[in-house]
Amino acid sequence: ETGVTQTPRHLVMGMTNKKSLKCEQHLGHNAMYWYKQSAKKPLELMFVYNFKEQTENNSVPSRFSPECPNSSHLFLHLHTLQPEDSALYLCASSQDGNIQYFGAGTRLSVL
Amino acid sequence: AQTVTQSQPEMSVQEAETVTLSCTYDTSENNYYLFWYKQPPSRQMILVIRQEAYKQQNATENRFSVNFQKAAKSFSLKISDSQLGDTAMYFCAFMEADSNYQLIWGAGTKLIIKP
Repeated sequence: ETGVTQTPRHLVMGMTNKKSLKCEQHLGHNAMYWYKQSAKKPLELMFVYNFKEQTENNSVPSRFSPECPNSSHLFLHLHTLQPEDSALYLCASSQDGNIQYFGAGTRLSVL
Repeated sequence: AQTVTQSQPEMSVQEAETVTLSCTYDTSENNYYLFWYKQPPSRQMILVIRQEAYKQQNATENRFSVNFQKAAKSFSLKISDSQLGDTAMYFCAFMEADSNYQLIWGAGTKLIIKP
């Protein structure tokens, strides 16, 4: 148990579905992150939130919509995804941007 | 732009042997942090070790140690007395001190410990 919980662990969705990924951290951290992990590629940072404010959006398509209602919760809303969006989506949190602590990820398959 | 290169896609060693994973990075900055993370089959990304660039002393955590060569921009991870539980993907990562929290990641090395 690392203090960062992601749900669901697995998700299969069609290209026209709308779904959301949830991340919750119990570490009292001020920053939260979404990453995309594809096979044999470096982790791709998608979004960074610091004290609930989005500070980074690394050219992520608008079909991915993040939401951070408070410093403990982070959502990734998914809409009209493509098969190439199938990947492991990791959430992380940190205090002041140094050591990041990760959840176990959501394995997403887009059919 | 900063980059991180892990030149070994996969390695395997016998249990109890010592193994070294390589990592090189490219940056023009002087103040930064380097990390090794481990991702076992459970998918949980776990911090193994962290190094601050201004510290000359190599970081050590139990059986894990690094060889940090700042001039060569090299940051290798040595695992001593390897155990079956060390089987995992290992990722090297870099963070510039004023980067707004952005980690730059290598593509990873798959390490298999054989019984």
